[in-house]
Amino acid sequence: KNQVEQSPQSLIILEGKNCTLQCNYTVSPFSNLRWYKQDTGRGPVSLTIMTFSENTKSNGRYTATLDADTKQSSLHITASQLSDSASYICVVSSNTGGFKTIFGAGTRLFVKA
Amino acid sequence: EAGVAQSPRYKIIEKRQSVAFWCNPISGHATLYWYQQILGQGPKLLIQFQNNGVVDDSQLPKDRFSAERLKGVDSTLKIQPAKLEDSAVYLCASSPQAVSYNEQFFGPGTRLTVL
Repeated sequence: KNQVEQSPQSLIILEGKNCTLQCNYTVSPFSNLRWYKQDTGRGPVSLTIMTFSENTKSNGRYTATLDADTKQSSLHITASQLSDSASYICVVSSNTGGFKTIFGAGTRLFVKA
Repeated sequence: EAGVAQSPRYKIIEKRQSVAFWCNPISGHATLYWYQQILGQGPKLLIQFQNNGVVDDSQLPKDRFSAERLKGVDSTLKIQPAKLEDSAVYLCASSPQAVSYNEQFFGPGTRLTVL
């Protein structure tokens, strides 16, 4: 069964600290993996996309990694800011004729001053 | 570039009533998606359109949900009759084409509360 699991479910950190969010997937065949940021009351916005051959990709203070062998990804946030408070959703796409997109449940991040 | 527009932003109805949501995708985007996002969960795909044709509606509860995209642009999602478990945020997204590497651009969503 194609699944995307994220951990932790929620996380509280102090402003300025770093954190890492995890994503494990069982989606096959794998096409790509995206991390989305969803602010409260808004739709998700794409942060990064990685294909099978990419191990790491950065977008400002956000760095995503991908290990296609172990089917794991992480999103590292450096020097967190209050505006980083949001849900972070891992999304894996599979090419099977058409394509399927499987969403994780997200990690809710709270950054405190 | 204007984003995906949705209306209304909020809707409160009683169970067994009907409700409709509207979505205007980004201009030129051929693919349109409707998602249901229950509090604390990731979005769940309800239906995917390519132009005005349905690509995937396998998770759409067809006994009560319907959606259309008549001219391949705007779309409406209807629930009739609503149940308590339909309380959720309904997200509309669009992308240029139905390929896996295309980013989906999401609207702000419609928060539905069924009492």
